[in-house]
Amino acid sequence: NIVMTQSPKSMSISVGDRVTMNCKASQNVYNNIAWYQQKPGQSPKLLIYYASNRYNGVPDRFTGSGYGTDFTLTINSVQAEDAAFYYCQRIYNSPPTFGGGTKLELK
Amino acid sequence: EVQLKESGPGLVQPSQTLSLTCTVSGFSLTDYSVHWVRQPPGKGLEWMGVMWSGGSTAYNSALKSRLSISRDTSKSQVFLKMNSLQTEDTAIYYCTRAVPPFDYWGQGVMVTVSS
Repeated sequence: NIVMTQSPKSMSISVGDRVTMNCKASQNVYNNIAWYQQKPGQSPKLLIYYASNRYNGVPDRFTGSGYGTDFTLTINSVQAEDAAFYYCQRIYNSPPTFGGGTKLELK
Repeated sequence: EVQLKESGPGLVQPSQTLSLTCTVSGFSLTDYSVHWVRQPPGKGLEWMGVMWSGGSTAYNSALKSRLSISRDTSKSQVFLKMNSLQTEDTAIYYCTRAVPPFDYWGQGVMVTVSS
């Protein structure tokens, strides 16, 4: 099975900063990656699908990129409401494995 | 409006069987797959298994021997049954619709395994 590895595990950022988090697949997954945001006490929410497509209503400060095995989620000008866990996931093929997550904290 | 809602017991005794129901609305189970995902307290997301739109299933290999997913399309419900529960199965259990990306999620149901 393909393993999805996210880094860093956590990061502390100031409002207005630019943040980049990574997701690495153990095998080529082409562009079959999604990113989710999960805030405490809430269900995960879809942010990005097929590596770089922003889901409905997602602010354009969220950008996904990458292909093959290395993927990145970038948040430009982080806002206070972006404090959350972020998960990548291999999609389209089974099993749809999740990465371990990155915790984004605001200073 | 697309909605998914999980229901089931909040407390299950060790070695017993967990039965959960995901009731969906706003879409047909014959058009979209529905997956089960769980999250232990303070931990990440674990994919458990899927009911494909065509009626077949697939399971996480680590859970396959204990897990069964079925559906009743007339009631728009997907069912999860997992046997031989242990304390490490304590988690929030979610059902979610897949496009393939998981675009709609239920609110989740907390299941505690304890005597």
